[in-house]
Amino acid sequence: RKEVEQDPGPFNVPEGATVAFNCTYSNSASQSFFWYRQDCRKEPKLLMSVYSSGNEDGRFTAQLNRASQYISLLIRDSKLSDSATYLCVVTFKSGGYQKVTFGTGTKLQVIP
Amino acid sequence: EPEVTQTPSHQVTQMGQEVILRCVPISNHLYFYWYRQILGQKVEFLVSFYNNEISEKSEIFDDQFSVERPDGSNFTLKIRSTKLEDSAMYFCASSEGGVPTVQYFGPGTRLTVT
Repeated sequence: RKEVEQDPGPFNVPEGATVAFNCTYSNSASQSFFWYRQDCRKEPKLLMSVYSSGNEDGRFTAQLNRASQYISLLIRDSKLSDSATYLCVVTFKSGGYQKVTFGTGTKLQVIP
Repeated sequence: EPEVTQTPSHQVTQMGQEVILRCVPISNHLYFYWYRQILGQKVEFLVSFYNNEISEKSEIFDDQFSVERPDGSNFTLKIRSTKLEDSAMYFCASSEGGVPTVQYFGPGTRLTVT
């Protein structure tokens, strides 16, 4: 099983739609979770951290389910500018250090 | 807003040549990282650096790779003898604290090995 797994998509959704992505992780000792956004041929940019209690930032909601070992990202009222690849990032302790692992990303295309 | 910068934006080199990729992290950050992303693939961790030494490295970061902080601002990645499979986007990142503190990424250097 991959350390961090995402559905690559693409998810093609109309403007205004709600879309949700999941990301599963294999290491039950994983400690921190993030969603990053990556535009084509650009650097990853932090979208939001994911907290155990779940968190919301405007149209974006992130949730963590430790029992089932997945995190989710919900985007409400999709905009054309939301079109990007969404990267799930998980950290866990390995040999005294924190290891950072990226998922392969889920591509979102918002269409007019 | 402070940002991580990287130079050059694109580097073309011949197989077997040495390349040095440069990064200027955000000025008050203490932890520095290099990642690579082969076209169409996921972002892969290479190395982390703190207090003038490597704190962790991945299996990708073999003897061909080295990192250095030659002065108070630059952070470099050297590939001694490039191979075709080193062609990728290389991202530098920095953070105030160690993982899991949020990391801020530079715009990347696209390395093409011919």
